[in-house]
Amino acid sequence: EPEVTQTPSHQVTQMGQEVILRCVPISNHLYFYWYRQILGQKVEFLVSFYNNEISEKSEIFDDQFSVERPDGSNFTLKIRSTKLEDSAMYFCASRPGREQYFGPGTRLTVT
Amino acid sequence: LAKTTQPISMDSYEGQEVNITCSHNNIATNDYITWYQQFPSQGPRFIIQGYKTKVTNEVASLFIPADRKSSTLSLPRVSLSDTAVYYCLVARQGNQGGKLIFGQGTELSVKP
Repeated sequence: EPEVTQTPSHQVTQMGQEVILRCVPISNHLYFYWYRQILGQKVEFLVSFYNNEISEKSEIFDDQFSVERPDGSNFTLKIRSTKLEDSAMYFCASRPGREQYFGPGTRLTVT
Repeated sequence: LAKTTQPISMDSYEGQEVNITCSHNNIATNDYITWYQQFPSQGPRFIIQGYKTKVTNEVASLFIPADRKSSTLSLPRVSLSDTAVYYCLVARQGNQGGKLIFGQGTELSVKP
């Protein structure tokens, strides 16, 4: 069964550094998403992406964040100038229709 | 999107049927109901979705009354591996964005 994959599984970075989280959505899916989950808290929507552009973003997704689909397979989330409060699990998801398929997540730790 | 309310936690024993009820009083005509499951340190996983009446798949059943202000996820004969957080969400049809808004979910604990 096709799966959404994410790399790396765990990323440790220092405050102020830039990180890029990578996702490979399922190949025939057209809609892509990033969510995050701070430890012990609920899953939060960050951004949705369709037809090579952002279709919706949350208040969390400010100028510090950006997304890109650089080729036909990868979908990336860039976080500039990381802060301690950016530490969380970041999930990528994709969907063909209504059902969203989530990846295993990248645990980002900002020290 | 309509806010959802569900119990924070539930306990059950192996082999029992578990019913988790969610209320969504302000659901709109073009909204549908969807349930996800999440294990610790994993991404949410789709379980079932429906618009009205009853939907059944190999994992669960979803019961939606005529007024659609609530829904009940039914898990038949749970096992220890069903211990997880279960999320009830309301999503909009025809929404090109299709974002999911998660609440706190129901933490189900299945005991032997």
